[in-house]
Amino acid sequence: AAGVIQSPRHLIKEKRETATLKCYPIPRHDTVYWYQQGPGQDPQFLISFYEKMQSDKGSIPDRFSAQQFSDYHSELNMSSLELGDSALYFCASSPSSQETQYFGPGTRLLVL
Amino acid sequence: DAKTTQPPSMDCAEGRAANLPCNHSTISGNEYVYWYRQIHSQGPQYIIHGLKNNETNEMASLIITEDRKSSTLILPHATLRDTAVYYCIARKAAGNKLTFGGGTRVLVKP
Repeated sequence: AAGVIQSPRHLIKEKRETATLKCYPIPRHDTVYWYQQGPGQDPQFLISFYEKMQSDKGSIPDRFSAQQFSDYHSELNMSSLELGDSALYFCASSPSSQETQYFGPGTRLLVL
Repeated sequence: DAKTTQPPSMDCAEGRAANLPCNHSTISGNEYVYWYRQIHSQGPQYIIHGLKNNETNEMASLIITEDRKSSTLILPHATLRDTAVYYCIARKAAGNKLTFGGGTRVLVKP
């Protein structure tokens, strides 16, 4: 079965640079979620989209923004990167906002 | 979403059943109990969820007490590949985000 696709899988950036992470949901899933997992920590919810509209917002820094496009893929844009942004970033998708979320393999971001 | 409490770690013998407890004493009537697991730095993997009734699928069984204040995830025949952090999460039916907290680090030993 098709799964959530995330790209890139690994990313290395310098401080103050920008990064864009992409998420392609499971076909026919219209809801996308972003989570951040720092070293040794549990995943933390950042933001979600349902039918291209932001549906919920967690502890997402103002330096980060995200959107969902007409084909339901989503991008997480991160600016003015800081060392503390080094983490795993997971995207999940669900058939609707009330249903089970399925996670992608994640993007490992390292900020030097 | 209601807070859940799980033991931080537990060991299990390969081939034996693994019983993972979770307390959710403040769970409300419209909150489901979800279980996910995360195998070292991989994306969290959905296991099972339930509201009131016990549930079973190809991966595990979920037993929810009648008062819904606690539940147990049962892995019927643990294998080495079941070594992971297991998260029990209470999530509203109309909710969006999953709130991960602590989890139980399960080590399956040969």
